[in-house]
Amino acid sequence: NAGVTQTPKFRILKIGQSMTLQCTQDMNHNYMYWYRQDPGMGLKLIYYSVGAGITDKGEVPNGYNVSRSTTEDFPLRLELAAPSQTSVYFCASSPPGGDLRTGELFFGEGSRLTVL
Amino acid sequence: QQQVKQSPQSLIVQKGGIPIINCAYENTAFDYFPWYQQFPGKGPALLIAIRPDVSEKKEGRFTISFNKSAKQFSLHIMDSQPGDSATYFCAASPNYQLIWGAGTKLIIKP
Repeated sequence: NAGVTQTPKFRILKIGQSMTLQCTQDMNHNYMYWYRQDPGMGLKLIYYSVGAGITDKGEVPNGYNVSRSTTEDFPLRLELAAPSQTSVYFCASSPPGGDLRTGELFFGEGSRLTVL
Repeated sequence: QQQVKQSPQSLIVQKGGIPIINCAYENTAFDYFPWYQQFPGKGPALLIAIRPDVSEKKEGRFTISFNKSAKQFSLHIMDSQPGDSATYFCAASPNYQLIWGAGTKLIIKP
């Protein structure tokens, strides 16, 4: 069982370039999330989704976009990369039927992005 | 009011000791308090969680103590082992998202 899979694991971008971070889960979880983790800052929610076709902004959505066409996939798009987007990005999912406040989050291993 | 303040930033404890990590919150609407453990190069994983209707929860060597009136909660690790060396995050949730503490890097010396 793969759980939550993120690709790529590492990427270096130039300022202004665009890219998509891929996330897929095989646990049939309804809820999916994108977080960024910066040193000494904890995790900040970028976007989340409660099911296919439904997405909503989190705490720090500016500069990012998401889509959720299937239950399994939740890609994160960076349109015009900026140095402030240098971070480690984590995708997570949580089980169906769970309250958003209490559902255990299952995380991928992260994607380390550097913008130069 | 949406912050969760976690301390210390880093902690070094000898094997067998009892590291204690503290978190404080301000928003009384928070009603779920999980702790996540993260090893280098991995995503966080749920360790233990508590609701405010109990003052303590124990799972194996890990215990959460919760003080509702002080709006504080803490993680204790009994008989700590080098394999417990990791970064620990507290979090709190009022609604659709978790509010995370900044993390504590814990090192257990053999």
